[in-house]
Amino acid sequence: GAVVSQHPSRVICKSGTSVKIECRSLDFQATTMFWYRQFPKQSLMLMATSNEGSKATYEQGVEKDKFLINHASLTLSTLTVTSAHPEDSSFYICSARGLAGGASSYNEQFFGPGTRLTVL
Amino acid sequence: GENVEQHPSTLSVQEGDSAVIKCTYSDSASNYFPWYKQELGKRPQLIIDIRSNVGEKKDQRIAVTLNKTAKHFSLHITETQPEDSAVYFCAASMVGNEKLTFGTGTRLTIIP
Repeated sequence: GAVVSQHPSRVICKSGTSVKIECRSLDFQATTMFWYRQFPKQSLMLMATSNEGSKATYEQGVEKDKFLINHASLTLSTLTVTSAHPEDSSFYICSARGLAGGASSYNEQFFGPGTRLTVL
Repeated sequence: GENVEQHPSTLSVQEGDSAVIKCTYSDSASNYFPWYKQELGKRPQLIIDIRSNVGEKKDQRIAVTLNKTAKHFSLHITETQPEDSAVYFCAASMVGNEKLTFGTGTRLTIIP
């Protein structure tokens, strides 16, 4: 159990276009989903926290109008990178939190496989 | 907010030897400390975690120790194998505050 999927796994787009990334919890209900970005050889930086049915909470320095997050159901959250620019190129990873089977604790987050975004 | 420091940033260990990675945290209210292993281009995978009501936890070759007073916790890998080579991240959070704050990562290389 506790599987999180992410789609697409890779995307290449032109500068100025928008890209949507989906994060799904496949076998449990995710009360909270998190979006991270990770630059090469760096750590995971939390961008925002989203709870189903409410507005996302963004971390300091993350533009909410540029990174639109929607958490429409307990199994799906989407991140839309609007008007993407080359500096937005990164590895975007979602995680989901909920009481999944086998979870060592309620705090445990289950990560998706990530989406590599390249903006030309 | 929470700040998590991790060292070393790189670590090379002879196969069969032990590896130790250390992290410190700043917020005394943090009480959940997971460790993740991430292979290149893949998702972080939880390998072990510990809550603040215990000082040590072990799972086969992997153990984590926690010193609440000093606000530091460590990952110990014994009898290292080539497949242990990866980047390891520590993290900290509080029950009730769902956010994980990650350390900067340690690139572990096991030398055959």
